[in-house]
Amino acid sequence: NAGVTQTPKFRVLKTGQSMTLLCAQDMNHEYMYWYRQDPGMGLRLIHYSVGEGTTAKGEVPDGYNVSRLKKQNFLLGLESAAPSQTSVYFCASSYSRGTVTSTDTQYFGPGTRLTVL
Amino acid sequence: QQQVKQSPQSLIVQKGGISIINCAYENTAFDYFPWYQQFPGKGPALLIAIRPDVSEKKEGRFTISFNKSAKQFSLHIMDSQPGDSATYFCAANRGDSWGKLQFGAGTQVVVTP
Repeated sequence: NAGVTQTPKFRVLKTGQSMTLLCAQDMNHEYMYWYRQDPGMGLRLIHYSVGEGTTAKGEVPDGYNVSRLKKQNFLLGLESAAPSQTSVYFCASSYSRGTVTSTDTQYFGPGTRLTVL
Repeated sequence: QQQVKQSPQSLIVQKGGISIINCAYENTAFDYFPWYQQFPGKGPALLIAIRPDVSEKKEGRFTISFNKSAKQFSLHIMDSQPGDSATYFCAANRGDSWGKLQFGAGTQVVVTP
């Protein structure tokens, strides 16, 4: 099993350009997440999905869109990149919501380092 | 505003020493407290987790101590090894929040030989 994979690993964009980050998981997980990681900020949730065809906003959704057309894939789009979106982006997945007290493990991909000039 | 406050930002410990990282939270609805370990160039990976019905959980050299009344929890790394050098994140989650983890800012741990 490859686990969670992300494409590309690195990307440099100019302000205003668009791009799509691809996340794929082969663990048959229902839940998928996109985070951004910035120094001193930890990881912040951008968008998440609780199943194929469903998406929802996280903590910092502005400037991003997502789609989950297939259960194994979760795409993150930047329509018009801004320097403030320079960050490392992580995708994660988890099997389910777990019990009422939520003890799911999230499995993270290796990240995509994005620089917006 | 971060819902989970983590300290210190970084720490250096000698091989064989104890590393201690502290986290505090305000939301009493949080019911799951995982710690993630991240090596440079890699994604975070779950290290150990605790629920508020226990005060301590130990897995090998890693121990979580949980103080519900103080709304604090900490990670202790006993007999620290150079291979433990990484960034550690605490996190918290509510049972009704669909796995939306709230992460601390992270602590960079360096273990010197």
